[in-house]
Amino acid sequence: SQELEQSPQSLIVQEGKNLTINCTSSKTLYGLYWYKQKYGEGLIFLMMLQKGGEEKSHEKITAKLDEKKQQSSLHITASQPSHAGIYLCGADWPLNTDKLIFGTGTRLQVFP
Amino acid sequence: NAGVTQTPKFQVLKTGQSMTLQCAQDMNHEYMSWYRQDPGMGLRLIHYSVGAGITDQGEVPNGYNVSRSTTEDFPLRLLSAAPSQTSVYFCASRQGPSNQPQHFGDGTRLSIL
Repeated sequence: SQELEQSPQSLIVQEGKNLTINCTSSKTLYGLYWYKQKYGEGLIFLMMLQKGGEEKSHEKITAKLDEKKQQSSLHITASQPSHAGIYLCGADWPLNTDKLIFGTGTRLQVFP
Repeated sequence: NAGVTQTPKFQVLKTGQSMTLQCAQDMNHEYMSWYRQDPGMGLRLIHYSVGAGITDQGEVPNGYNVSRSTTEDFPLRLLSAAPSQTSVYFCASRQGPSNQPQHFGDGTRLSIL
């Protein structure tokens, strides 16, 4: 969806490096979700953010939602080959209409 | 736990053929959705349902029909397949409305010749 912009579209990093993926909207986000998709497979839920300024971490992945709730970032610390895949942000759009839409995705490759 | 099950995993059709993609979930989720994934386009919502007997259109509904006769099943029908419908299709479900994550099936890879 063009209503959720992700950047960069693709990312190639060396193992051990840190990286950040961004998800931006022109409207206030109510419920922001991060998913990971391994090549050729389904989507795996990573984290959900709801409140402005909220931050959640799982292992080496940290997701943040800004105070205005219009931008989220996903940060990976000390990347590993297992982090490779497509990362997608999704949002409830608009509030209480039951639609969950997604950004265009970021393809991450991690080389040794 | 099965979660969300999609069948078939792969399918090749000729232009003009019809087909139904099956989706079933065993989590008693009220909300179910169909998405298509194309290179550089992320996931786009085709149709969704908030309960048995209730369906609505998403971002790209043209060329697709859905029905929801039971809580468990949400089939997607292509009445007359077109090459533009070549894509990977994902079915998803979630327990309730906003602020709940979706659970996804493994996808159906569909090619229209």
